[in-house]
Amino acid sequence: DVKVTQSSRYLVKRTGEKVFLECVQDMDHENMFWYRQDPGLGLRLIYFSYDVKMKEKGDIPEGYSVSREKKERFSLILESASTNQTSMYLCASSRRGQGQWGYTFGSGTRLTVV
Amino acid sequence: SQQGEEDPQALSIQEGENATMNCSYKTSINNLQWYRQNSGRGLVHLILIRSNEREKHSGRLRVTLDTSKKSSSLLITASRAADTASYFCAPMRHTDKLIFGTGTRLQVFP
Repeated sequence: DVKVTQSSRYLVKRTGEKVFLECVQDMDHENMFWYRQDPGLGLRLIYFSYDVKMKEKGDIPEGYSVSREKKERFSLILESASTNQTSMYLCASSRRGQGQWGYTFGSGTRLTVV
Repeated sequence: SQQGEEDPQALSIQEGENATMNCSYKTSINNLQWYRQNSGRGLVHLILIRSNEREKHSGRLRVTLDTSKKSSSLLITASRAADTASYFCAPMRHTDKLIFGTGTRLQVFP
């Protein structure tokens, strides 16, 4: 069964910590995405990547960075976690195709920054 | 904006009834996708309808697309308690980037 795996289901970190959220897909997809989801705000795109070592900013990249050293893995990094980054983080992947394909999502990581 | 806007924001029905959710968008699209999200989980892709299609079926799901009105609807027939979830539409332009709205929260009571 093809899937996107997020390394942690729940995570609690302290303010100021550097936080790594990992996402791995086994579908050989070119595209990978990171979203955060907050009540009343829906899903907002943080960063995405169309290929290894490539990244593009989404709508809310401030306070985040990403790394894609291998095709199957896309990491989201919170350089210095803050309480306003408490949220549900969702990773997704898709085939490259100019919008022809649907996304496969991971189960999400609920991050709490205290 | 590429974002789709779902309507209504919330919908409550009894099991066995039909549920209809609507989506409006503002730009030309390549296709439009619908996703479901169970509480606290990731999104699941339900159906994709291309811009040259007007209607598509998948099991109890029926999706329509009216590109002249820039709108789509998702109909779930004979709903079940297990259909309780949030539903999102995502209009797709000629890029691979999906922008989601805030979704419709569907509650199906047994």
